[in-house]
Amino acid sequence: LAKTTQPISMDSYEGQEVNITCSHNNIATNDYITWYQQFPSQGPRFIIQGYKTKVTNEVASLFIPADRKSSTLSLPRVSLSDTAVYYCLVQPYGNNRLAFGKGNQVVVIP
Amino acid sequence: EAGVTQFPSHSVIEKGQTVTLRCDPISGHDNLYWYRRVMGKEIKFLLHFVKESKQDESGMPNNRFLAERTGGTYSTLKVQPAELEDSGVYFCASSQDGEPYTEAFFGQGTRLTVV
Repeated sequence: LAKTTQPISMDSYEGQEVNITCSHNNIATNDYITWYQQFPSQGPRFIIQGYKTKVTNEVASLFIPADRKSSTLSLPRVSLSDTAVYYCLVQPYGNNRLAFGKGNQVVVIP
Repeated sequence: EAGVTQFPSHSVIEKGQTVTLRCDPISGHDNLYWYRRVMGKEIKFLLHFVKESKQDESGMPNNRFLAERTGGTYSTLKVQPAELEDSGVYFCASSQDGEPYTEAFFGQGTRLTVV
């Protein structure tokens, strides 16, 4: 499984757009990029998944450049409740096994 | 619709004792996974059931861990005998079949403390 690298932590003010980056230099052709969010004392929760270009849902947007060696999760206008650890994962096609890295602790401050 | 539920939420046992964790997946989800995070480490895969069959148990740390999913519904993870290094949070997740990937729904986890 391709390894992912994320910043350890970041702070953001409430109401701002937050962009969380992830590096996955060894991503394979049939790998998908998936992001999960984890609040304290809870299990991870699926946010978004993509293969290339841009994917948007009601929670976030995922930007993947043409070389797919990195991706950016964008959270619009964060609130205090968006404080969580955000995990970027690379998954082979059809493989549901998740390989979590250290994640990125995002703290939203008022 | 009920999500993935795990029981107990927290268990404290002495070294050498036995503990059984339970996971009830979302109804209709054939795939069930166990993960765990030990102190200071990343969340690690333990095993994957498809219905009642073990699809992948490569993440199980040793033979003190036994997972079952009788009838393809709920699953149990037994640790016998428990050791200090087994302390951590054990997560269960379930998902439907689908390609290329289906979202995994996680429970809130069971925090196991071995003293």
